[in-house]
Amino acid sequence: GDSVTQMEGPVTLSEEAFLTINCTYTATGYPSLFWYVQYPGEGLQLLLKATKADDKGSNKGFEATYRKETTSFHLEKGSVQVSDSAVYFCALSIDNQGGKLIFGQGTELSVKP
Amino acid sequence: DTAVSQTPKYLVTQMGNDKSIKCEQNLGHDTMYWYKQDSKKFLKIMFSYNNKELIINETVPNRFSPKSPDKAHLNLHINSLELGDSAVYFCASSQVPGLTYGYTFGSGTRLTVV
Repeated sequence: GDSVTQMEGPVTLSEEAFLTINCTYTATGYPSLFWYVQYPGEGLQLLLKATKADDKGSNKGFEATYRKETTSFHLEKGSVQVSDSAVYFCALSIDNQGGKLIFGQGTELSVKP
Repeated sequence: DTAVSQTPKYLVTQMGNDKSIKCEQNLGHDTMYWYKQDSKKFLKIMFSYNNKELIINETVPNRFSPKSPDKAHLNLHINSLELGDSAVYFCASSQVPGLTYGYTFGSGTRLTVV
């Protein structure tokens, strides 16, 4: 079945460090890919998305490129801030499945000053 | 204005009780969803409705019954609550096609069954 696998957390970084959170997927159809962020005690917010191969999604300094050949959608940021501390979810959605999102297990990021 | 609002934010109840969680969206979206987030933060879809019609029901126990009185509302009623129902429940909505525009989530309802 369709699934998303993320790197295990927690990830702890110092402020201004480079961030990579790995995400790979398995899909029977052609998925759209998403990164969502969940700040403590809050709901999920869409961070970025990509709907076709080689698309790059970007927002707030975060980037991810849809790589069909490696079935990956890794999240990167060049310089993290304390305010980026949150749980990050990679997700996919496939056109003929009623719009449901399939999530990875989430990766907790903690950024220290 | 809150785009997707859920009530209540917190719900503590005893085993065996029946409870409801309400969700409303003011985005004009056609599709609404319920997701469950367990204690390890894993998120899984439970239901989705498109224009008041049920389109996804993901092997959820019969004790869970969604109701959509109109396309702006999707409520979740849970009968005979069990300890394992303790989780955070998120409502979400999307425009059709959700793939292009993404999904908007509510802030969640933390249900604790004691």
